[in-house]
Amino acid sequence: GEDVEQSLFLSVREGDSSVINCTYTDSSSTYLYWYKQEPGAGLQLLTYIFSNMDMKQDQRLTVLLNKKDKHLSLRIADTQTGDSAIYFCAEEGASKIIFGSGTRLSIRP
Amino acid sequence: DTEVTQTPKHLVMGMTNKKSLKCEQHMGHRAMYWYKQKAKKPPELMFVYSYEKLSINESVPSRFSPECPNSSLLNLHLHALQPEDSALYLCASSQGRRGDTEAFFGQGTRLTVV
Repeated sequence: GEDVEQSLFLSVREGDSSVINCTYTDSSSTYLYWYKQEPGAGLQLLTYIFSNMDMKQDQRLTVLLNKKDKHLSLRIADTQTGDSAIYFCAEEGASKIIFGSGTRLSIRP
Repeated sequence: DTEVTQTPKHLVMGMTNKKSLKCEQHMGHRAMYWYKQKAKKPPELMFVYSYEKLSINESVPSRFSPECPNSSLLNLHLHALQPEDSALYLCASSQGRRGDTEAFFGQGTRLTVV
């Protein structure tokens, strides 16, 4: 079956790096996504990685994919207060996107 | 243009009302989706339209009725809703071929049923 798991909460100090982890089950997923959702807002696609890649970097964001372990991570460098949000990991299932439960990132001063 | 536009942004309706949610994209995407998101939960898929035909209905009650008038528009007609249907309703679109491209989401319609 298709399932995506994430830890529910992460708290980091402003300026530190945040690492949000995710595990998925569908080894045939072609795309894996990270979405950001601020309070009361829709989902913003932050970045995605194609399944034949190990790493993708986009400014402050680094995505690492371990396909053998079905593990995906999102690293946010120099975390700022504006990064406070819920981050959803998602995999591309058959005709739909399967979401994890979301990780709530909070920033300490 | 990589936007999915949803209207209205907020909607309050009574249990006897009929209303519609609208979604529009001009990216040439051929798959469009409705998701429902309750507070502090991940989005749950409701419907998928592929090439303007309903391809997935995730056992959604008939008080929710989707419609895809053309390849750019997706509607969700609401009738006789219950207070527990209050949620954020998200529309998304993608190319429609697995592995082809990412899915883009709208900002959602926050629905309150009173």
